[in-house]
Amino acid sequence: DTEVTQTPKHLVMGMTNKKSLKCEQHMGHRAMYWYKQKAKKPPELMFVYSYEKLSINESVPSRFSPECPNSSLLNLHLHALQPEDSALYLCASSRRDFTTDTQYFGPGTRLTVL
Amino acid sequence: AQKITQTQPGMFVQEKEAVTLDCTYDTSDQSYGLFWYKQPSSGEMIFLIYQGSYDEQNATEGRYSLNFQKARKSANLVISASQLGDSAMYFCAMRGSSGSGGGADGLTFGKGTHLIIQP
Repeated sequence: DTEVTQTPKHLVMGMTNKKSLKCEQHMGHRAMYWYKQKAKKPPELMFVYSYEKLSINESVPSRFSPECPNSSLLNLHLHALQPEDSALYLCASSRRDFTTDTQYFGPGTRLTVL
Repeated sequence: AQKITQTQPGMFVQEKEAVTLDCTYDTSDQSYGLFWYKQPSSGEMIFLIYQGSYDEQNATEGRYSLNFQKARKSANLVISASQLGDSAMYFCAMRGSSGSGGGADGLTFGKGTHLIIQP
């Protein structure tokens, strides 16, 4: 089973709202990732968690705040977003953070910021 | 820094024909992984096939095979006997070992190839 789940599927929020995206996997993977994908563009890496510790932050604005409460869960807290933050947010997980480890993606959350 | 180049923005292929999607990469890492993903219009990224930099044999997974030419830094995806359901965006991606956190990097993606299979 290579299932990664993400909730919600769609999210519309105003610029003053606070919301969270949730990602879950039960494959025993110890590395989890957030990617942002704008329309007609490839995904871009935002954050990497390895063994529940943040290992990579790709200079993401502080209005995006990741959290990894345990090895199965990954959250992305959103606050004071801008309309240009509207995108598909993809979560992924892999067994470890080695070059040989395949990343499996969830279905994504389509975020619209008004 | 790693870079992935996919030179075919779009392709039209007749059903049941074989199709080759091009991918070239650039990296200074000795150890890296190459991946192909399929993204239908629904948005989910579906893993297709993996090739490691030290693998001597080309990877195969069902109808998918990867034509890995290390000296040329190319990793083309071959889909045999294409089907209507193969219509999607295809991304070549790479993962190097120079991650700032001590582990591997995240994935670096090419711009993708939009494949349309015609009946």
